Amino acid sequence: SQQGEEDPQALSIQEGENATMNCSYKTSINNLQWYRQNSGRGLVHLILIRSNEREKHSGRLRVTLDTSKKSSSLLITASRAADTASYFCATDISSRDDKIIFGKGTRLHILP
Amino acid sequence: NAGVMQNPRHLVRRRGQEARLRCSPMKGHSHVYWYRQLPEEGLKFMVYLQKENIIDESGMPKERFSAEFPKEGPSILRIQQVVRGDSAAYFCASSPLPGQGYEQYFGPGTRLTVT
Repeated sequence: SQQGEEDPQALSIQEGENATMNCSYKTSINNLQWYRQNSGRGLVHLILIRSNEREKHSGRLRVTLDTSKKSSSLLITASRAADTASYFCATDISSRDDKIIFGKGTRLHILP
Repeated sequence: NAGVMQNPRHLVRRRGQEARLRCSPMKGHSHVYWYRQLPEEGLKFMVYLQKENIIDESGMPKERFSAEFPKEGPSILRIQQVVRGDSAAYFCASSPLPGQGYEQYFGPGTRLTVT
């Protein structure tokens, strides 16, 4: 089964609204990363949050991590059309530090 | 500093042919990872290589798939005798060092279609 699972699978919101995506995982992690993938393109690294951090900001992005609940959320504020993409969380699991495990992603669609 | 480069971007092969996918990591990166993405799915780890060494190939199918990262030149993912189920996007990523907190930089991917 997947280590990381994003929720919801798909999300459509109006431009200007905030978008929140969640990720749950099963085993202990070293860190958790969020990536964006535009249709037909490669992945772009957005933000990394370590297991001892609770919140991190980068521009319009805000990531939280709750290790007790084994969950993370990605908040995109003041969404733009260019934010339309798939968003993946990826976990760097404690037992192996040489690979990361991706969820299936949330497909975000920003409506004009 | 050029990013991770992959070629070709699109590859069409008939069943039974061989597919060779190339990945040039970012300058200064000596760690390469290959992932496969099936339609509507997340990425699945395949193999992790350092120069001239396979570190972890636990995600690689046991047959028909192989990977190398020679001392000189790009990393190669080779799929022999391709089947329709091999149709997917294959992404390569590189990092300067392995381990905690080092993000992986991804290439644009190679989309393999097996007809």
